[in-house]
Amino acid sequence: GENVEQHPSTLSVQEGDSAVIKCTYSDSASNYFPWYKQELGKRPQLIIDIRSNVGEKKDQRIAVTLNKTAKHFSLHITETQPEDSAVYFCAASKGGSYIPTFGRGTSLIVHP
Amino acid sequence: NAGVTQTPKFQVLKTGQSMTLQCAQDMNHEYMSWYRQDPGMGLRLIHYSVGAGITDQGEVPNGYNVSRSTTEDFPLRLLSAAPSQTSVYFCASRPGQTTDTQYFGPGTRLTVL
Repeated sequence: GENVEQHPSTLSVQEGDSAVIKCTYSDSASNYFPWYKQELGKRPQLIIDIRSNVGEKKDQRIAVTLNKTAKHFSLHITETQPEDSAVYFCAASKGGSYIPTFGRGTSLIVHP
Repeated sequence: NAGVTQTPKFQVLKTGQSMTLQCAQDMNHEYMSWYRQDPGMGLRLIHYSVGAGITDQGEVPNGYNVSRSTTEDFPLRLLSAAPSQTSVYFCASRPGQTTDTQYFGPGTRLTVL
């Protein structure tokens, strides 16, 4: 089955800095890559996703890049704010009837 | 729409007890899944369903049973709770095969003593 590795497990940045979280996947047939944000005590919520026919996608301060050849994708957050502090999960799926496999999560801490 | 709901929010069990975690969605979603979240382990799939009457095992199914008699409900049963099942459990749903976005419930925090 699919295996998703996520790094780093913890990321500490100063407010205003950029943050990058990286994931690799094992199944070359995977074609859907969502990112979820989970605030403390809350449910995971989708913040951005990308499909394999696209190399990059942006939504305001967040962006995701995908390198299909290397089988890795990354989440970029610019101008970080304290409210960005949360656990971020990447996932990979073959789409359709397949259920996504999640990475182990990255705890992002943004210091004011 | 209430979205995906889960009950109870918190539960404490003794080893060997049984219980059912409830999950319901009012969005007419075909697909529903159960995950457990443990520190440093991410979200691991327990069981999932692609429609009423259809269920399948995920990555960590041992010790858990599920059924899907209606589109709305997807209960998770622990037949004989063990301390290793102490975790936060999330239910998720998505519309169907053509839509990949999953919607998570608020979670149930289970402690097994």
